[in-house]
Amino acid sequence: GENVEQHPSTLSVQEGDSAVIKCTYSDSASNYFPWYKQELGKRPQLIIDIRSNVGEKKDQRIAVTLNKTAKHFSLHITETQPEDSAVYFCAESFSGGGADGLTFGKGTHLIIQP
Amino acid sequence: DAGVIQSPRHEVTEMGQEVTLRCKPISGHNSLFWYRQTMMRGLELLIYFNNNVPIDDSGMPEDRFSAKMPNASFSTLKIQPSEPRDSAVYFCASSLGHRGYEQYFGPGTRLTVT
Repeated sequence: GENVEQHPSTLSVQEGDSAVIKCTYSDSASNYFPWYKQELGKRPQLIIDIRSNVGEKKDQRIAVTLNKTAKHFSLHITETQPEDSAVYFCAESFSGGGADGLTFGKGTHLIIQP
Repeated sequence: DAGVIQSPRHEVTEMGQEVTLRCKPISGHNSLFWYRQTMMRGLELLIYFNNNVPIDDSGMPEDRFSAKMPNASFSTLKIQPSEPRDSAVYFCASSLGHRGYEQYFGPGTRLTVT
């Protein structure tokens, strides 16, 4: 079955620095890779996603890169701010669209040090 | 938009009791997902429906768990009998299915089984 490995489990960076979280997956049929942010006690919320026909996508301070050959994808946050502190989850599915369940990584607790 | 609605938000019950969790997806969405979140196992897909039809229930832990979607605007997840290891946050999510990728999560139901 599907398997998603996420690293690191905890990441502490100074405010203003960049943060990178990495995920690997096992199924070459996977074609959709979202990233969710979850604040304490809240629901997961999508922050960015990428599909298998794209290698990189950027939205302001957040970017995601995908390497299908190596089966890994990464989240990059630049100029980190205190409000970026949260748990981040990568996920994958092999649907056509949102009609397939997501397999999540175990999460990365991002801590932004003032 | 009201977003995905879940009830109850919190449920405390004794071992052996029946528990029913409820979900109302976003209007117009035709895919619905049930996830469970625990510290040990992270976010896990339990079951999902497309156009009210169950597609994949391989994530349902055992026969004590069942889910239904009698119409496009309502779904239930039932645990009978409940056990302490079922304690978790249960999230419902919905999406546009094949017409869109993003899954929108509800606020979750925090279940405690004593």
